[in-house]
Amino acid sequence: GDSVTQMEGPVTLSEEAFLTINCTYTATGYPSLFWYVQYPGEGLQLLLKATKADDKGSNKGFEATYRKETTSFHLEKGSVQVSDSAVYFCASWRGSQGNLIFGKGTKLSVKP
Amino acid sequence: ETGVTQSPTHLIKTRGQQVTLRCSSQSGHNTVSWYQQALGQGPQFIFQYYREEENGRGNFPPRFSGLQFPNYSSELNVNALELDDSALYLCASSVRTGQGASPLHFGNGTRLTVT
Repeated sequence: GDSVTQMEGPVTLSEEAFLTINCTYTATGYPSLFWYVQYPGEGLQLLLKATKADDKGSNKGFEATYRKETTSFHLEKGSVQVSDSAVYFCASWRGSQGNLIFGKGTKLSVKP
Repeated sequence: ETGVTQSPTHLIKTRGQQVTLRCSSQSGHNTVSWYQQALGQGPQFIFQYYREEENGRGNFPPRFSGLQFPNYSSELNVNALELDDSALYLCASSVRTGQGASPLHFGNGTRLTVT
């Protein structure tokens, strides 16, 4: 069945470091892909999305490119800030049921 | 615009009891989905409601049930609570049109603790 696998955390970086969080998916066809972010005590916020192969989603300095050859959607940011500390979830859209399939999440801590 | 709101924010129940969680969808959204997020895990799809009917269900037993009202708000009901039901319950709303569905917008969740 459909699934999403993302790198396990926690990830600890210094401010201004480069961030990569790996995400791969298995699915029938080419689902839309998403990154959501969850700050402490809050729900999920949509960070970025891509709806077809080779699409690049971007928002707030974060980017991810939909790679169908490697079934991946890795999240990157060139220079992280303390305020980026949160849990990041990769997700794919299962259109047949109309729901998101989430990875387990990656906790990012950015130190000043 | 008003976002997705959930109530209550926290709840403590005893095993075997029943609980009702509530969700008001974002203005203009006609579809509501519920997810369960256990500690340290990603959210798991429970079910979705569209036009007041269940329209997709994940791998959850029948003691998890729901309602959607004409104003698109929704309830999640869980009967015969078990310790493993302790989790953050997230409600998400979206707009479904003939061209598909918009991205999900999540509320802040209800933290349920079963003792």
